[in-house]
Amino acid sequence: AAGVIQSPRHLIKEKRETATLKCYPIPRHDTVYWYQQGPGQDPQFLISFYEKMQSDKGSIPDRFSAQQFSDYHSELNMSSLELGDSALYFCASSWGTPGRDTQYFGPGTRLTVL
Amino acid sequence: RKEVEQDPGPFNVPEGATVAFNCTYSNSASQSFFWYRQDCRKEPKLLMSVYSSGNEDGRFTAQLNRASQYISLLIRDSKLSDSATYLCVVNRREYGNKLVFGAGTILRVKS
Repeated sequence: AAGVIQSPRHLIKEKRETATLKCYPIPRHDTVYWYQQGPGQDPQFLISFYEKMQSDKGSIPDRFSAQQFSDYHSELNMSSLELGDSALYFCASSWGTPGRDTQYFGPGTRLTVL
Repeated sequence: RKEVEQDPGPFNVPEGATVAFNCTYSNSASQSFFWYRQDCRKEPKLLMSVYSSGNEDGRFTAQLNRASQYISLLIRDSKLSDSATYLCVVNRREYGNKLVFGAGTILRVKS
């Protein structure tokens, strides 16, 4: 079965650079979520989109922005990168109105900021 | 205090053992409950949803006690491949559909 696709899988950036992470949800899934997992930590919710509209916002820094496109893929844009942004970034997708269960996670993008 | 609390372990058990994990959550508005499994440096994978009536999937049994705000996972006949971090996860729909994770319980199954 098709899963959530994330690209790139690994990304190395310098401080103050920008990065764009992409997420392609499971076919027919219309809700996308972004999570950040720092070293030795549990995943923290950043932001979610349902039907191309932002549906919820978590601990996402103002330097980050995201959107969901007409084909339901989503991009997380990160600017003025800091060392502390180094983490695994997971995208998850689900089907239906937010409040429906079962989010399926992509393999993640490992971002390293030097 | 974290909203979802788990014993971090590690639980070191021999193959074939039965092991139980517990989890408590503090927000009574939580509405959906899950156990996810995460292998090192990989994505969380849904193991099972948890219902008040309890549910079983092969060697895995999950239980929810809403009154005590307590969730459990029982693994019978442990396999080496069960070694992973088990994440207790709740969903508070009043604030959208974001998942709130516990810190995870490490399980190591040894031969």
